Amino acid sequence: EAGVTQFPSHSVIEKGQTVTLRCDPISGHDNLYWYRRVMGKEIKFLLHFVKESKQDESGMPNNRFLAERTGGTYSTLKVQPAELEDSGVYFCASSQGQGVYYGYTFGSGTRLTVV
Amino acid sequence: AQSVSQHNHHVILSEAASLELGCNYSYGGTVNLFWYVQYPGQHLQLLLKYFSGDPLVKGIKGFEAEFIKSKFSFNLRKPSVQWSDTAEYFCAVGGGSQGNLIFGKGTKLSVKP
Repeated sequence: EAGVTQFPSHSVIEKGQTVTLRCDPISGHDNLYWYRRVMGKEIKFLLHFVKESKQDESGMPNNRFLAERTGGTYSTLKVQPAELEDSGVYFCASSQGQGVYYGYTFGSGTRLTVV
Repeated sequence: AQSVSQHNHHVILSEAASLELGCNYSYGGTVNLFWYVQYPGQHLQLLLKYFSGDPLVKGIKGFEAEFIKSKFSFNLRKPSVQWSDTAEYFCAVGGGSQGNLIFGKGTKLSVKP
């Protein structure tokens, strides 16, 4: 079984540019989560999709962040325009069901550096 | 506020030493606790989890953790570490039906051969 795949693994962009991160969950996993870890800080929840619908986006920092999951398969997280404080590692996780009891599979993350 | 506190930022041990990583949480409602590990260059992997029942839980690779409700703690232990245990360890707490986890800041473990 393929795991959760994230693209790209690293991205370096200039302040003000746009970056799009992609996450391919495990096939059949309806639940998809985005998390972010800013250097030295906790891994923080950003949002949760159930299929193509946003179940919980309470962790999204501001309106420069846009997440989509068209068709309920892969998801993208766009940052536009990027700011220095957006630097960090963005993790994606997928789960077969909703709730912590189902377990999560995490991707390796995308390391975003905004300069 | 819901939070997880990991006491140690970086722990350095020699092989065969015993390990204990501290984790305290603040969380209202049903508590489900987790330890994840991230080896260099790899994804986050589940080490062990506690939902209910026996407060001493055993995970993979010889790790165990003890849930002490009165102390709001879920410390991770291993009696004898190996060089291959070098990684970053994250404690996390989650509710039941809520899908998201609340993580601590992580503890880097370096094991000297």
